[in-house]
Amino acid sequence: EVQLVESGGGLVQPGRSLRLSCAASRFTFDDYAMHWVRQAPGKGLEWVSGISWNSGIIGYADSVKGRFTISRDNAKNSLYLQMNSLRAEDMALYYCVKDMGRFGVTLDVWGQGTTVTVSS
Amino acid sequence: QSALTQPASVSGSPGQSITISCTGASSDVGTYDLVSWYQQHPGKAPKLIIYEVTKRPSGVSDPFSGSKSGNTASLTISGLQAEDEAYYYCCSYAGSNTWVFGGGTKLTVL
Repeated sequence: EVQLVESGGGLVQPGRSLRLSCAASRFTFDDYAMHWVRQAPGKGLEWVSGISWNSGIIGYADSVKGRFTISRDNAKNSLYLQMNSLRAEDMALYYCVKDMGRFGVTLDVWGQGTTVTVSS
Repeated sequence: QSALTQPASVSGSPGQSITISCTGASSDVGTYDLVSWYQQHPGKAPKLIIYEVTKRPSGVSDPFSGSKSGNTASLTISGLQAEDEAYYYCCSYAGSNTWVFGGGTKLTVL
């Protein structure tokens, strides 16, 4: 069974940075695109960013473009999200999500998430 | 990147059928057959129940079905059961390597 384990969340002050990680296992990581999706407390799902299997295609939501950077290390079976200039509205549970294809097709399997709290 | 529009809540009695709509635009739902639906129980991660408009992943039961007409996609749940009570989200590819979710619908089984 696919396993996705997020880490790196925590409490951070507005304007500071945080790097999230996702450790993937029990599937061939470099065969699939990956995504980050977030959910603010009591709110709905918001797609944040996605990356193709070979990092050749990357997309961002307008709300994070220019501040967040997605990356992956296929040798380490890991996905990352570098978050800079954090704002109160970035506070959420961040999910790592596996896609069904090498390029974005369908967000398939979800991790349990890591919580980011932005507060002074 | 505007969120897809879903009703905030729907309800039905056990055994009944309900349909949840998901309205987007010609730039997302209307153009791409990459609409998916997710079920989320409180405190849990979302679970994929429909992908590519009408397809069910292995392990997802028959009562869940999807369709699309124009800019609106729909999820139908037949034969409601108590365990179907959850939040449901639609999602669509929106072009330029971006994706968009609906605001979510809370399903209450009466």
